[in-house]
Amino acid sequence: QVQLRESGPGLVEPSETLSLTCAVSGYSISSGFYWAWIRQPPGKGLEWVGTINHVGASYYNPSLESRVTLSVDTSKNQLSLQLNSVTAADTAVYFCARDRGGPSQVGGWFDPWGQGTPVTVSA
Amino acid sequence: DIQMTQSPSTLSASVGDRVTIACRASQSISTWLAWYQQKPGKAPELLISKASNLEGGVPSRFSAGGSGTEFTLTIDSLQPDDFATYYCQQYKRPPWTFGQGTTVEVK
Repeated sequence: QVQLRESGPGLVEPSETLSLTCAVSGYSISSGFYWAWIRQPPGKGLEWVGTINHVGASYYNPSLESRVTLSVDTSKNQLSLQLNSVTAADTAVYFCARDRGGPSQVGGWFDPWGQGTPVTVSA
Repeated sequence: DIQMTQSPSTLSASVGDRVTIACRASQSISTWLAWYQQKPGKAPELLISKASNLEGGVPSRFSAGGSGTEFTLTIDSLQPDDFATYYCQQYKRPPWTFGQGTTVEVK
């Protein structure tokens, strides 16, 4: 059973870089599939951030593309997200999830999800 | 971007009711649509993919349909565990986008 667990600093100062990790268990990332990051501002809806596969092929939401970088570490079986120049608008719960498209193609729908990690951008 | 609009935003219902949530896409997405359920403080859970395919383990009181731009999620005989927020999401074309959510609350 695939399980995902996000972790991060919780609090980031404005203009700094947000760094999050997502540990995957129950499945080896190097075996395939694409993996996504999705965020949810407090009391609001869901926003897809980006998607990456085990060899680093990545796709980003154009609204964030200039500031976000996704990466994978197959030796640690984990994903990472970096978002630079953060503002209060980046305050959200950040989820990682598996893309359900299949081992070698992007599908665009997501299951399972991690429990999410909250990030607050504030001085 | 493809915009997804759900209605209503909030739905008040009682246990045993039949409820229907609508989702409209700003352009045709064929049947490239998923539905998720989210409870407070929890991650969304996938209920339905390809507009009408129920995920394993999802109770049969959930059903969904539609194609093109108009979609629905129906819950027959609402159960206490079903009070939650529901999101539709298109995966026809990136960026993948979600509806704003419909909260099913206790009447």
